[in-house]
Amino acid sequence: AQKVTQAQTEISVVEKEDVTLDCVYETRDTTYYLFWYKQPPSGELVFLIRRNSFDEQNEISGRYSWNFQKSTSSFNFTITASQVVDSAVYFCALLPYTGRRALTFGSGTRLQVQP
Amino acid sequence: GAGVSQSPRYKVAKRGQDVALRCDPISGHVSLFWYQQALGQGPEFLTYFQNEAQLDKSGLPSDRFFAERPEGSVSTLKIQRTQQEDSAVYLCASSLGLATSTDTQYFGPGTRLTVL
Repeated sequence: AQKVTQAQTEISVVEKEDVTLDCVYETRDTTYYLFWYKQPPSGELVFLIRRNSFDEQNEISGRYSWNFQKSTSSFNFTITASQVVDSAVYFCALLPYTGRRALTFGSGTRLQVQP
Repeated sequence: GAGVSQSPRYKVAKRGQDVALRCDPISGHVSLFWYQQALGQGPEFLTYFQNEAQLDKSGLPSDRFFAERPEGSVSTLKIQRTQQEDSAVYLCASSLGLATSTDTQYFGPGTRLTVL
């Protein structure tokens, strides 16, 4: 069975602060993919990043960075210099490399960035 | 609009009514997925199509839920005899559907279903 845990239900920061969203996962698969999606108030899930389990290099894209650590089964997401437009619910998700095609999502972290 | 579209965006149904939710995937995407998202929760998988073939329907919660994709493009999720517990946002996603099938799923805006 697969499981994704996002222990932070809600985070509130002031604009320009850095913020890290935690994601811990459980899987018996040796190869898998991890994803982060953003869900703004409009409701649409917006794809942010996909990482595979055999590539532990951290990734940076603008103000976003991701820290994947297979040893601790974590895939954390950091937003640097947060902005009001970053306010949304963020979901971490897991997909096995083979087998069932269903994404397993965490329960999400609501980020509120105050001006 | 090159993204996934869904209609209607909002649907209110009386308990016992049948509803049909439509999904238009990204053009050329072979795979199509339906998820159900309860309030305050992450999406949960319902069913998966590759072209017109429904390859996985293990997430459908009951036999009142039925999905189809007859021509391998547009898909419809039908819920018969709706119950209050069916109230949720129904999300559709599509992906290229390459051989490995681990390509990224792109989501539509969802249909918010409220059953009174």
